[in-house]
Amino acid sequence: DAMVIQNPRYQVTQFGKPVTLSCSQTLNHNVMYWYQQKSSQAPKLLFHYYDKDFNNEADTPDNFQSRRPNTSFCFLDIRSPGLGDAAMYLCAAQKGTYNEQFFGPGTRLTVL
Amino acid sequence: RKEVEQDPGPFNVPEGATVAFNCTYSNSASQSFFWYRQDCRKEPKLLMSVYSSGNEDGRFTAQLNRASQYISLLIRDSKLSDSATYLCVVSHNQGGKLIFGQGTELSVKP
Repeated sequence: DAMVIQNPRYQVTQFGKPVTLSCSQTLNHNVMYWYQQKSSQAPKLLFHYYDKDFNNEADTPDNFQSRRPNTSFCFLDIRSPGLGDAAMYLCAAQKGTYNEQFFGPGTRLTVL
Repeated sequence: RKEVEQDPGPFNVPEGATVAFNCTYSNSASQSFFWYRQDCRKEPKLLMSVYSSGNEDGRFTAQLNRASQYISLLIRDSKLSDSATYLCVVSHNQGGKLIFGQGTELSVKP
């Protein structure tokens, strides 16, 4: 059974057109993460929520925003996608800290 | 310098070979250590945690040397299904934030 679900799996958007990626989890874990992974590179943390507390990485562009309306759902909003934002976006859930992070299957974003 | 560095790949090995991956980390405050496996165009999945005493899971052995800030993964009797990218991952004191290495691609050939 899927534990971390991401929708859509593939997203195509136009340059500058806002896009929202969705993540939900059935684990009831209190920590959720968003990563960006470009081809042949390591996943790069964008931000994470510890419960309702939002933690932004220092080098995450302002173009990227996130919302977590409840424990189960987390959204990634890209306000004005550029060509350089084309990547796989991974969501992960974790119970507390120092425990395994469970990743969703990712959303592959294409920017035209 | 990247905080977590791995051997550059790819590694191409025949079935049955033993293959070793090496990883170094620069932040001495790192507390937790992992190896994740990522199949092509899929999400990373935890392969094993790494402990100072070393740990083994079937054909996989992971070791940690805190003094040298070095982590290793040994795969014995490699299978075709072991073909994937292996990611060395560390976590700091500050919550569960994971720092990933760039990964080493393994290709096991018949």
